[in-house]
This record gives sequence, structure tokens and C-alpha cells, in this order.
Amino acid sequence: DVKVTQSSRYLVKRTGEKVFLECVQDMDHENMFWYRQDPGLGLRLIYFSYDVKMKEKGDIPEGYSVSREKKERFSLILESASTNQTSMYLCASSLSAGDLMEQYFGPGTRLTVT
Amino acid sequence: ILNVEQSPQSLHVQEGDSTNFTCSFPSSNFYALHWYRWETAKSPEALFVMTLNGDEKKKGRISATLNTKEGYSYLYIKGSQPEDSATYLCASAGGTSYGKLTFGQGTILTVHP
Repeated sequence: DVKVTQSSRYLVKRTGEKVFLECVQDMDHENMFWYRQDPGLGLRLIYFSYDVKMKEKGDIPEGYSVSREKKERFSLILESASTNQTSMYLCASSLSAGDLMEQYFGPGTRLTVT
Repeated sequence: ILNVEQSPQSLHVQEGDSTNFTCSFPSSNFYALHWYRWETAKSPEALFVMTLNGDEKKKGRISATLNTKEGYSYLYIKGSQPEDSATYLCASAGGTSYGKLTFGQGTILTVHP
């Protein structure tokens, strides 16, 4: 089974802190994604990566950056956390590029910024 | 940004009832439609990936149909069980080749024993 793990299930940070959310997948997947989920809005794509060191902006990249130094690891960085970044963050991976590739999700990190 | 809409937002049914919900998406630039099930405290899991007009897929008591010309997909659950309680997400892929998905807001299903 594909396993996607995220570094924390719950995280509380203060406004202005730099926050790192880590995601690791164990099945040699090419693509990795970061989403945030807010009530009534569904999953919204923040950034994705289709190869090591490659990244593409999603629909809501403002206030975030990402890093993919190794194939199995994709990090989401909040440079200066703000209260409007309080959300559930989900990481996902897929075997390769292509719209038919199902995505495998991690359990999510619920981030609260106070 | 593709606009993917799901209805209803939430649904309460009794154990044994059959139910269905809808996902609508823009039919232009359509390439594939994904359905995921997200149980509380778990990770979302893929149910179906569909691409052909008229396609129908089935997994146990759950099935889905796809109409790409009019831009909708139905998800059906026959004889709902409490373990079917979850948020059901659909997502449309617009042929970018990166596998980028646009998700609907989800339908929250609660099955009462």
C-alpha cells in the first residue's frame, strides 16, 4: 500500500512564525501536491511538484512556498504565518503526471495560527 | 479555474436507504473526473477515475456514472450502511498533463443506524 505521511496531525503556531509542514511518500511517486481544506470550500491546490526540485503554483500559492529536494519528500513553508492560514493541510502524491492518476493522500495537518 | 459543484452539501439517510449525489463540472477542457471518499480522521481515498462519456464504474454497493457532454457525474450508494458515512469529493482534471485536480466542496453523508 502507498503510504503518505505528514509530520504532524495538529500544530499551533503564532502569527509571524515560519512554519514547515513535511510530507513523505514511500512509493516512488513522481507527483506531489499540497492542498488546504476549509469548510464549504473543498480542497484547494496550493502548490504541486512533478519532479525533484520542480514546482508549480496551484490556485492559491500566496503566502506559501515549497521545497522538494528528494523525490519522497515535499515540504510546505509558511514564511510568516497569519491567522487566515489556519486550516487543514493535506499532502497527496500520484504515480506520475496524467489526469487519470489517482492521488494518495496523507492524514492531514490541522494548523491553527493564533 | 474550473468550477466544480457538488450537491447536496449534506445528506442524512437511514441505514438501508439508497442515495445519490451529484457533481457538475464545466464540459469544456474536461479530461477526467475523480471521486474520493474521506472518512473522519482518515485520509481521502480514491473511489473512481472516469474519463469516457457514458462510463459507469462500480465498487461493491457504490457506483458512478459520467456525462461529459452535459458536465455531470452521479455517485450512487445502494443500501447505505453506517460505515458509508463520509465526505464524498469529486474533482475534475482539465488536461494539463500534470494531474492537477479541481475539487468540489464535497457532500457530507451521514447514515443513521
